[in-house]
Amino acid sequence: DGGITQSPKYLFRKEGQNVTLSCEQNLNHDAMYWYRQDPGQGLRLIYYSQIVNDFQKGDIAEGYSVSREKKESFPLTVTSAQKNPTAFYLCASSIAGVQDTQYFGPGTRLTVL
Amino acid sequence: AQSVTQLDSQVPVFEEAPVELRCNYSSSVSVYLFWYVQYPNQGLQLLLKYLSGSTLVKGINGFEAEFNKSQTSFHLRKPSVHISDTAEYFCAVSEGYNFNKFYFGSGTKLNVKP
Repeated sequence: DGGITQSPKYLFRKEGQNVTLSCEQNLNHDAMYWYRQDPGQGLRLIYYSQIVNDFQKGDIAEGYSVSREKKESFPLTVTSAQKNPTAFYLCASSIAGVQDTQYFGPGTRLTVL
Repeated sequence: AQSVTQLDSQVPVFEEAPVELRCNYSSSVSVYLFWYVQYPNQGLQLLLKYLSGSTLVKGINGFEAEFNKSQTSFHLRKPSVHISDTAEYFCAVSEGYNFNKFYFGSGTKLNVKP
């Protein structure tokens, strides 16, 4: 079955540590996205990539970094510079270049202690 | 910049009653409109979308939405809700010049009571 996987589902880290969240898709989609979800605020775009080896900052990119070395993978690193990293992180993908749906992974809940 | 407004953060409703979840957007250019549903601790699932054509769009689970360009709205409706419809619903918009970038509303929690 095609889809998007995110791992792990729950992640705990100590303050000051960098942490990398995994996102993999086998939908053959060119575009991939990272969103952060906080209660009452909906989804906010962190980074997106429309093609391998290229990505753009979203609305809240500070304190985060990404890479896109392979079409199917778009890992997100939450760095120690992110002031309030505890949140639910969602990865999505879509066909680039045409209007289409974004398909979402199950999410990773990050808690920084 | 594009903004999406979901005025109701929570909507309580009794089972088998009708429901409407409101969504308004700010864009003056051509837009594409989506409704997603999220169950607790899960990702978002597409309910329905409007890209072009008929302004009344039917989706999964008996939901429908109507695009109203003059009122810049895309309200979601269901004539008779079920307990299993309890979830959070998000409206999303993408614009014609950058349709890969989505803007999401803040969400509406639908609580269906027996």
